[in-house]
Amino acid sequence: QKEVEQNSGPLSVPEGAIASLNCTYSDRGSQSFFWYRQYSGKSPELIMSIYSNGDKEDGRFTAQLNKASQYVSLLIRDSQPSDSATYLCALRGGFQKLVFGTGTRLLVSP
Amino acid sequence: GAGVSQSPSNKVTEKGKDVELRCDPISGHTALYWYRQSLGQGLEFLIYFQGNSAPDKSGLPSDRFSAERTGGSVSTLTIQRTQQEDSAVYLCASSPQGLSNQPQHFGDGTRLSIL
Repeated sequence: QKEVEQNSGPLSVPEGAIASLNCTYSDRGSQSFFWYRQYSGKSPELIMSIYSNGDKEDGRFTAQLNKASQYVSLLIRDSQPSDSATYLCALRGGFQKLVFGTGTRLLVSP
Repeated sequence: GAGVSQSPSNKVTEKGKDVELRCDPISGHTALYWYRQSLGQGLEFLIYFQGNSAPDKSGLPSDRFSAERTGGSVSTLTIQRTQQEDSAVYLCASSPQGLSNQPQHFGDGTRLSIL
């Protein structure tokens, strides 16, 4: 089992809809979680970090963490075509390195 | 500069040659990380520096890979006797002290192609 698992997608949603991206992880001791957005040919860009169970909102983005069930999710409200990208879920591993999932490709159609 | 700077942005070389990739972290950041991203793969950790020391080298795939950091700033990743499977985007990231609540900021990467 991979440490961080994501559905590769693509996840297709119409403009204005809510996009829901999910991630599960295997290390129950993990404490810090991150969502990065990566446009094709570009470097990852941090969108959200979450450390506690529950929801964390920032603009159109909401990160959700459930440590008991070992999953992290990212909701994007009012999705825009510019949100089309690959979304990478990551957790902090030993020595604070990031352990990434393979990413979910999101396509938002106008 | 304001962000993490990597050079070159693209490198094409022949199999068997050595290559050096450079990373200049955000000024004042003591923690520096190297990752690589192969086509269709997730980001894979290579090595972590805290200052000039590398307490975690566990991700280096073989002894052909090495890295150093001098002056607590610029880091170079060296790949000797390159192989085609080394083709990937090599990304560098830095954070202020490498603490768990400090995000890592990525450079634009070096796209390495081995012919």
